Amino acid sequence: RKEVEQDPGPFNVPEGATVAFNCTYSNSASQSFFWYRQDCRKEPKLLMSVYSSGNEDGRFTAQLNRASQYISLLIRDSKLSDSATYLCAVNINKLVFGAGTILRVKS
Amino acid sequence: GAGVSQSPSNKVTEKGKDVELRCDPISGHTALYWYRQSLGQGLEFLIYFQGNSAPDKSGLPSDRFSAERTGGSVSTLTIQRTQQEDSAVYLCASSLQSGTGQETQYFGPGTRLLVL
Repeated sequence: RKEVEQDPGPFNVPEGATVAFNCTYSNSASQSFFWYRQDCRKEPKLLMSVYSSGNEDGRFTAQLNRASQYISLLIRDSKLSDSATYLCAVNINKLVFGAGTILRVKS
Repeated sequence: GAGVSQSPSNKVTEKGKDVELRCDPISGHTALYWYRQSLGQGLEFLIYFQGNSAPDKSGLPSDRFSAERTGGSVSTLTIQRTQQEDSAVYLCASSLQSGTGQETQYFGPGTRLLVL
């Protein structure tokens, strides 16, 4: 089993839709969690950290479920510019990345 | 301010040749990381530096891969006797302090390596 797993997608959604991704991790000792965004042929950029209590940044909401060992990312009111690959990252002494979930927002 | 820079941005080489990839981290960042990303895959951890030392080299795929960091700044990743399976994007990241993974990592644009 991979340490960090994501549904590769693609998720094809219309503009304005709400979409959610999950990311599961296998090591219960994981301490910190992140969502990164990666555009085609570009480097990953931090989207948001994920805190135990859940956190929100504009249209983006991240949540952590320690009991079930997953983190989630919710995007509301999707924009065309949200189209990208979303990578989750989990700290297990070092940062371990999932393979990413592809999101395509269409008009 | 200046971000993480990497050079070259693209490298095409012949199988069996050695290549050297360079990373210049954000000024003041003591932790530096190398990752590899193959097409359609996630990031594969290779090595990280805290200052000039490398506490974790566990991700280096083989002894053909080595890395060094001097002056607590620039790092070079060297791949000897390149193989076609080495073709990937090599990403460097830096963070402010320790390499425990808890700090935000800032990525460079990567070096796209193609081994023919």
